[in-house]
Amino acid sequence: QQQVKQSPQSLIVQKGGISIINCAYENTAFDYFPWYQQFPGKGPALLIAIRPDVSEKKEGRFTISFNKSAKQFSLHIMDSQPGDSATYFCAATTGGGNKLTFGTGTQLKVEL
Amino acid sequence: GAVVSQHPSWVICKSGTSVKIECRSLDFQATTMFWYRQFPKQSLMLMATSNEGSKATYEQGVEKDKFLINHASLTLSTLTVTSAHPEDSSFYICSARDRSGRLYYNEQFFGPGTRLTVL
Repeated sequence: QQQVKQSPQSLIVQKGGISIINCAYENTAFDYFPWYQQFPGKGPALLIAIRPDVSEKKEGRFTISFNKSAKQFSLHIMDSQPGDSATYFCAATTGGGNKLTFGTGTQLKVEL
Repeated sequence: GAVVSQHPSWVICKSGTSVKIECRSLDFQATTMFWYRQFPKQSLMLMATSNEGSKATYEQGVEKDKFLINHASLTLSTLTVTSAHPEDSSFYICSARDRSGRLYYNEQFFGPGTRLTVL
């Protein structure tokens, strides 16, 4: 019940295209859903996050869509750039911001 | 703001020796710090949660006597891998949560990671 399932495992997108990564969870107690970007040999960096009281959040080229009834959320990267090539992790946590439960990661490659 | 540093960034040691990794929150006070382990092309696995001034809480399957965690101040936590063996080789990442909550909602800020190689 603590798992967060993430798909796809890897993704190749052409420059300028839209990258979409999906996550699903079971634990209805989760109330905070961040996305992290990780480059090789570096720690994860917060990209964008959402709470379940909103269905969408947009920051620049990055948008989270949240479907509470389906217990799913997704990351959309618009106008994908080669510099976006990285591994993306979705995560979830319960109130109080304690343990983060991470998805399995998506390796994104944006080709020219 | 919200910068977390780790030292060293990489370390190579001989089997049987102990290695200490430091995690510091540079511009905020962290009530809680977390230690993760990440194998190549895999996700982050939480090892333990440490609160300043108290004993760390270890995740199931993590040997507390092997991975010693000390959180002596609001800006420093250390992870010591005792009697390291090749199977302990991994990427160790810490994160810290801002005490004041003035930043993102209970957000964890991650350090750059420490690559440990045990020969």
